[in-house]
Amino acid sequence: DVQLLESGGGLVQPGGSLRLSCATSGITFSSYAMTWVRQAPGKGLQWVSSISASGRDTYYADSVKGRFTISRDTSTSTVYLEMNTLRADDTALYYCAKEEGLGTPGTALDYWGQGALVTVSS
Amino acid sequence: SYVLTQPPSVSEAPGKTARITCGGTNIGSKRVHWYQQKPGQAPVLVMSYDNDRPSGIPERFTGSNSGNTATLTISRVEAGDEADYYCHVWDYSSDGGVFGTGTKVSVL
Repeated sequence: DVQLLESGGGLVQPGGSLRLSCATSGITFSSYAMTWVRQAPGKGLQWVSSISASGRDTYYADSVKGRFTISRDTSTSTVYLEMNTLRADDTALYYCAKEEGLGTPGTALDYWGQGALVTVSS
Repeated sequence: SYVLTQPPSVSEAPGKTARITCGGTNIGSKRVHWYQQKPGQAPVLVMSYDNDRPSGIPERFTGSNSGNTATLTISRVEAGDEADYYCHVWDYSSDGGVFGTGTKVSVL
């Protein structure tokens, strides 16, 4: 059974930092790209970042570029999202998702976690 | 940046056909995926690569993509189909993912 479990969410002040983790199981982690998608309260889905299966290639939405860093650890089958200089408009539920295709992102997202809530407020 | 536009809402009576559109410049040249999201739940993939239905998704769900519009069609709509639906593509020109604005499907 495929499982994706996000953790690390919480309340942080503007300008602060947070690191989200997404622990996976039931997949050959090293074969698949992974993606983070967020959803602000009452709003739609927004693509945030993706990382290739090898970890060599990373991709970011313009709104987070230079502030967020995606990475992955094959030894623990975990993908991370390091978030710095957080702003109020980063407040959202952050989902981790597995790419359906092998290697590079840009395919369908066939498995999703339940999300980690990030609240940026003073 | 690439923009995908969906109607905010679609309503249909049970047993009828609901069509959800996703508009984008030359979207027919891209591979479109669709997700269903029910309240308080994570999104679920219901259609990939324009018209490929994942295992477990009813045959009532079909997809098409041509020109500037992709469409997710739900035939014989049921109360359990009530949800938000999002289209999704990868934009190779900007090297990033793009989601549509989302459509709330209501079954009357």
